[in-house]
Amino acid sequence: DARVTQTPRHKVTEMGQEVTMRCQPILGHNTVFWYRQTMMQGLELLAYFRNRAPLDDSGMPKDRFSAEMPDATLATLKIQPSEPRDSAVYFCASGLGDRVLRTGELFFGEGSRLTVL
Amino acid sequence: QQPVQSPQAVILREGEDAVINCSSSKALYSVHWYRQKHGEAPVFLMILLKGGEQKGHEKISASFNEKKQQSSLYLTASQLSYSGTYFCGTENSRAAGNKLTFGGGTRVLVKP
Repeated sequence: DARVTQTPRHKVTEMGQEVTMRCQPILGHNTVFWYRQTMMQGLELLAYFRNRAPLDDSGMPKDRFSAEMPDATLATLKIQPSEPRDSAVYFCASGLGDRVLRTGELFFGEGSRLTVL
Repeated sequence: QQPVQSPQAVILREGEDAVINCSSSKALYSVHWYRQKHGEAPVFLMILLKGGEQKGHEKISASFNEKKQQSSLYLTASQLSYSGTYFCGTENSRAAGNKLTFGGGTRVLVKP
């Protein structure tokens, strides 16, 4: 059945290392969101894309984070260099264009749990 | 800007009711409710698009008051399966480009 796939599911790394998280949206979905979840902040919107173009990345620390969609089947979120405060669960969610905001349905992946030591 | 949810946590006995509130400092175009079970991804419950509109999902319903810029989620006759963290997501305008911003979440624990 159709689902959003995220890799890796878990990542433990040391401070200063580069981390890349990947997301495969549901086939045909043209809207992709990246969220970060922490106990303190809940679900924070980092960036989102429509038809592979970034629409908003204002929630992302620009100096170390970058998000791209090299093609319609892959979204990436990169942190370089990583810091302990980046430890969180990173979720990718996809939906179908304007339908997302009419019907409301975003499909979330299972998340990538990042621990930076 | 993140919407504000209250309460942050609630503990219920099976069969009891609860209300979760979501408010925004900006005008709302739509409100979305999601539920996340521990260790899992958030799952869509419902969307409210118009002021005063109420929608339902099982015995979970919600209202949307445009004037007050807030929405409430009603858990009626709660079941054990209702346990989880509930998030409201808000869209402040269509011009915002479908930007969906979530609140900090409300943890719900339903006990037998």
